[in-house]
Amino acid sequence: SQQGEEDPQALSIQEGENATMNCSYKTSINNLQWYRQNSGRGLVHLILIRSNEREKHSGRLRVTLDTSKKSSSLLITASRAADTASYFCATDSGANSKLTFGKGITLSVRP
Amino acid sequence: DGGITQSPKYLFRKEGQNVTLSCEQNLNHDAMYWYRQDPGQGLRLIYYSQIVNDFQKGDIAEGYSVSREKKESFPLTVTSAQKNPTAFYLCASSQGMAKNIQYFGAGTRLSVL
Repeated sequence: SQQGEEDPQALSIQEGENATMNCSYKTSINNLQWYRQNSGRGLVHLILIRSNEREKHSGRLRVTLDTSKKSSSLLITASRAADTASYFCATDSGANSKLTFGKGITLSVRP
Repeated sequence: DGGITQSPKYLFRKEGQNVTLSCEQNLNHDAMYWYRQDPGQGLRLIYYSQIVNDFQKGDIAEGYSVSREKKESFPLTVTSAQKNPTAFYLCASSQGMAKNIQYFGAGTRLSVL
C-alpha cells in the first residue's frame, strides 16, 4: 500500500530556478523523509522531518511539513543539472520500522 | 568502504527457475529490507527483517522467499511461483525503529529470458 503521493509526477525546469515538489499522505506519521534516486541506481536519503517540526533546511534543500493537511513539500533552490533525478517521499508511521514510499517525481534540470 | 552491496547487477531468469539476489551490509544495521521497483509504481516492500533469524512479509511477498542467518546478509530468492519477476530490486538497511533512515544498495535488474 502506498501512503505518500507526490505531485507533480514530472517537473522540468531551467538551471538556476527553484524546484518545488509536494507529497501528501493519509495516516498519522512519526516522521517524513525525502530520498533521491539517480537513474538505475539506489535511493539516497536527503532529509528527515519529524511530525513535531514544521520546517527543516539542509544546504539547498528546504522541507516543510503540515500535519493538519497531511502534506510536505521539498524545495530545491538554485537547481543544477546534477539535481536531475527522481525524488521520493517516505512516511514512517512507527509500525515495525517500515517506510512507505510514494511513486516519485521525475525532476529534469535543463542546463 | 562501508555500505550495502547487491549482486549481481543484472540477472536473467529462465522459465521455472529460482534465482537468488545477494545483499550484504557492513553498517552493523539490525534491520534489512527488500523492495521491488517497477516503472511508475515506486517502491513496494517484499520482505523485511528487524533481527537475525526473523523476518516478516511486506506488501508483495508472494513468489519470494528470504533468509536472515547472519546480521550482515539478507538474500532474496525469486521463485518460479513469481510469474512476473522482471523488475529492479533494491535492498536497504537501517538502524531500526529510532529514526529509520534507510541506506540502499545499487540494485539488481532482473529480466526473464
